[in-house]
Amino acid sequence: KNEVEQSPQNLTAQEGEFITINCSYSVGISALHWLQQHPGGGIVSLFMLSSGKKKHGRLIATINIQEKHSSLHITASHPRDSAVYICAVLSGSRLTFGEGTQLTVNP
Amino acid sequence: KAGVTQTPRYLIKTRGQQVTLSCSPISGHRSVSWYQQTPGQGLQFLFEYFSETQRNKGNFPGRFSGRQFSNSRSEMNVSTLELGDSALYLCASSLGTSGYNEQFFGPGTRLTVL
Repeated sequence: KNEVEQSPQNLTAQEGEFITINCSYSVGISALHWLQQHPGGGIVSLFMLSSGKKKHGRLIATINIQEKHSSLHITASHPRDSAVYICAVLSGSRLTFGEGTQLTVNP
Repeated sequence: KAGVTQTPRYLIKTRGQQVTLSCSPISGHRSVSWYQQTPGQGLQFLFEYFSETQRNKGNFPGRFSGRQFSNSRSEMNVSTLELGDSALYLCASSLGTSGYNEQFFGPGTRLTVL
């Protein structure tokens, strides 16, 4: 079993829909990152959090340390949100990554 | 401020050869981390350098090595290339330790081993 599990693996939505991507982990962590990877490979860091909730524009990230779970929400989704979303956890001193969630938002 | 740059962007090598990849971090960033991304394994941590010292290393064989220079630029080297080393190699820089700070990723070097 992977230390970091993401669900769903693939997600297709219609423009405007509310989207949730989940990340569960099995180890103790110091921090959790959400990353966005566009076709072509470029990766952008969206959030780093160790507790509670963070919001940036239409994106919201939450983490529940006790339940070892984090969610990434996208409100009013748009086709430009189409990308792979990757969860990464800091355990010890290194980052371990989930396999990613491929999101496609159709107009 | 210029972003993270990686050179070369694409590389084709044959088995047994060695390769050196370069990463220039954002000015002022002292931490550089390297990652390997393959379709089968996803993203995996290779190593992190901070102020010219290797701070962490992932679970990769000794054929994978790196270094960081006094200007924070970093190189990684892979010797005796194997077919399975074909991957996208990404570097990321941050102000402080990578896990606790926002990382800024370069565009990657796509290595193909024939």
